[in-house]
Order: sequence, then C-alpha cells, then structure tokens
Amino acid sequence: ELKVEQNPLFLSMQEGKNYTIYCNYSTTSDRLYWYRQDPGKSLESLFVLLSNGAVKQEGRLMASLDTKARLSTLHITAAVHDLSATYFCAVDIYGNKLVFGAGTILRVKS
Amino acid sequence: GAGVSQSPRYKVAKRGQDVALRCDPISGHVSLFWYQQALGQGPEFLTYFQNEAQLDKSGLPSDRFFAERPEGSVSTLKIQRTQQEDSAVYLCASSSHLAGGQFFYNEQFFGPGTRLTVL
Repeated sequence: ELKVEQNPLFLSMQEGKNYTIYCNYSTTSDRLYWYRQDPGKSLESLFVLLSNGAVKQEGRLMASLDTKARLSTLHITAAVHDLSATYFCAVDIYGNKLVFGAGTILRVKS
Repeated sequence: GAGVSQSPRYKVAKRGQDVALRCDPISGHVSLFWYQQALGQGPEFLTYFQNEAQLDKSGLPSDRFFAERPEGSVSTLKIQRTQQEDSAVYLCASSSHLAGGQFFYNEQFFGPGTRLTVL
C-alpha cells in the first residue's frame, strides 16, 4: 500500500525567511503533484512533476522530485503572508487516483 | 471556461438520512474522481469513473456509499443511512487524459467540495 508522508505538518514562518517542505512516498512513482488549499476552499494545482530530477518554479515556490530517493521537496523563498495555506503533495502511481499526504499548514507571520 | 462544480456546497443531515451529492465535471473530461477529506486530513480516494464506467471503487468505505455517472458526464455520490463518521468534505475532480510518451499524466482539477455534516 502506498504511503505518502509530509513533514513538517505545521510550519510557522517569518516573512522573508526560506523553508522547505518534504514529501516522502513508499512506492516507486514518477508522477507527483503539489496542491495548495486555502481554508474552506478546494485544491489548487501548483506543480506537476513527471520525472526524476524534475524541477519547477513559480514565484517564490520551487518543487523538485527525486524518484530514486522517493522524495519531493517544496521550497519557499522569502515567504510572504499570501503564501499562508495548507500544502499537499500527492502521488499518482496508476494514472487513475492520487494518494495524498496529510498536508502542511503554513503560516507566515509579519 | 467553467471548472468543476459541485452541489450542494453544504449539507446537514440527520443520522440515518440518505444524501445525494452532485458533481459537474469540466466539459469533455473523461475521468471523474471522488475523494473524502476529513477535517485536518488530506483527501482520500473513494472511486473513479472513465466515461460512464466505474473502474475503481476500492476506496468506498462501506456498502452505504454508491456512486454513478450514467451518461459519462454528471456524477452523483449517494450515501445511505448516514452516520456521524461520514461527516467530511466530499471533493470531486475531473481530468482529461494527456498522453505524451514518458510524460503521460492525468492532472486532476478539483471542485469546491460539499461539506457534509451528520448530526
């Protein structure tokens, strides 16, 4: 059974600081997704990572995938308040369903 | 264009009541997924349709849960004899298969969800 673990589960950051969220998974896969969820809202797709070594960047967020280590990271650069949300990684191993991590609650403080 | 829509957005049911949750996927999307998200947790897979065929229902927690997509578009998730543990947000997602050799993937687009509260 595929397991997806995120850490930390809660992250309180100061504005302007950098930090990384980690996503480990237990079964070989080369398709991993990062989503953002605001309170009471649905999931917004951030990144799709499709191969070993894939790196994608959008604004202050950068995601990478190491399929050999079964690890993805979401790096936050110079955090701003607008980035406060819950971030989920999800692994797709069959092309027909996603297995999600528990989520990382990010709070950026002024 | 329009995204995935779900209705109702909120539903309060008394224990034992039957409920029906509707999902309208993005037009033309062949795949449709239902997920259950408990408070403070990540979404968990319930079931998957490709057009009208239900190809995977391994995540449905009990035989009280039933999903259908009779014409390959709109889908309904029905929960019979609701229990308090059914309280959660039910998310629907749709996708169009995008194939490109080794870059095949099936990005899912999520609706706003239905928050079900069972009293």
